[in-house]
Amino acid sequence: QKEVEQDPGPLSVPEGAIVSLNCTYSNSAFQYFMWYRQYSRKGPELLMYTYSSGNKEDGRFTAQVDKSSKYISLFIRDSQPSDSATYLCAITLGYNNNDMRFGAGTRLTVKP
Amino acid sequence: GAVVSQHPSRVICKSGTSVKIECRSLDFQATTMFWYRQFPKQSLMLMATSNEGSKATYEQGVEKDKFLINHASLTLSTLTVTSAHPEDSSFYICSARDRSSGSNQPQHFGDGTRLSIL
Repeated sequence: QKEVEQDPGPLSVPEGAIVSLNCTYSNSAFQYFMWYRQYSRKGPELLMYTYSSGNKEDGRFTAQVDKSSKYISLFIRDSQPSDSATYLCAITLGYNNNDMRFGAGTRLTVKP
Repeated sequence: GAVVSQHPSRVICKSGTSVKIECRSLDFQATTMFWYRQFPKQSLMLMATSNEGSKATYEQGVEKDKFLINHASLTLSTLTVTSAHPEDSSFYICSARDRSSGSNQPQHFGDGTRLSIL
């Protein structure tokens, strides 16, 4: 079993839709959770970062963590064509953050 | 925000050539930098952790003599792919963590280097 499981998609939605991206992880020791956005031929860009269960909101983005289920989500409201990218979840044990584990990434296309 | 610059962005060279990739933190100091490799439609795989002033720590299966890492200053780490072969063709990405922001802060990534060995 992989440490982080993420459906690679692809996922295609119309502009304005609510997008739900999800990851599951196997080791309950992981404490820190991140979502990165990666445009084609670019490095990942940090979107959201959280370490506690519950929701964290930033503009149109909401990160949700459920440690009891080992399940993390990223919601995008009012999706825009510019949101089209690959979204990577990442988790770490936390203390020194050196052992980050990435999901495979979900490729999202938002159609105008 | 924290900016990581990676150079070059694209390299095409013949088999047997050694290629050096630079990773710089532009507006912060990074005690630790990380080198990843990413194949098409796959996730990032950590190759090594680069520590300023000391030897890099390589992940299992990564040849340290093949992928030479030097972290000579708090803002620069280099990865040299020695005697590159077609199977080394990949997207190489570096990241860095701001030294001043504590140990539990996320990594900031460069834009990657696409290496193609003919």
